[in-house]
Amino acid sequence: EAGVAQSPRYKIIEKRQSVAFWCNPISGHATLYWYQQILGQGPKLLIQFQNNGVVDDSQLPKDRFSAERLKGVDSTLKIQPAKLEDSAVYLCASSLIRTPYEQYFGPGTRLTVT
Amino acid sequence: GEDVEQSLFLSVREGDSSVINCTYTDSSSTYLYWYKQEPGAGLQLLTYIFSNMDMKQDQRLTVLLNKKDKHLSLRIADTQTGDSAIYFCAENFAGNNRKLIWGLGTSLAVNP
Repeated sequence: EAGVAQSPRYKIIEKRQSVAFWCNPISGHATLYWYQQILGQGPKLLIQFQNNGVVDDSQLPKDRFSAERLKGVDSTLKIQPAKLEDSAVYLCASSLIRTPYEQYFGPGTRLTVT
Repeated sequence: GEDVEQSLFLSVREGDSSVINCTYTDSSSTYLYWYKQEPGAGLQLLTYIFSNMDMKQDQRLTVLLNKKDKHLSLRIADTQTGDSAIYFCAENFAGNNRKLIWGLGTSLAVNP
């Protein structure tokens, strides 16, 4: 079974630029999560989708971050414009609806904003 | 409130047992988890325990849960250098969306 795929693995941009991350969850996993992990901290949930609907985006900085999952499969997370404090690893995870406690994570995208 | 606390560092010798501790605050948590993160890699679910259990064993891993004290521990028997990683404790916040609340992680260093 293929795992959660993410791209790119690394990205370096200047502040005020835009960036987009892509995630393809495990086949059949209806729930998809985007997390932000700042160095030395645990993951922070940014947004949770169930199929193509948003379940929780309470911690998503909506003035600059956006995410979509139009067909209920893969998802993109965008930052526009980026700030220095957005430097982090962005993790995508997925789970089955009936087992939300078993989340499977992708390798993450390491973003550096200079 | 929602809070999960862990000690930040643990150093053990190869072959010894490692015990990583975690405390949580939400007494209504349904599940408690241990995730492993190796350098440059994503998070790997190691094991989880239901809140109505007090122990779970899986090969070299033993999870102990003390609900009264809201204390969770992960014991790794015969620790190997490949166990060097950051270990995250997380609880399932039994709110509307059952999101995970994460600790800051314990960095385990295994010395040969």
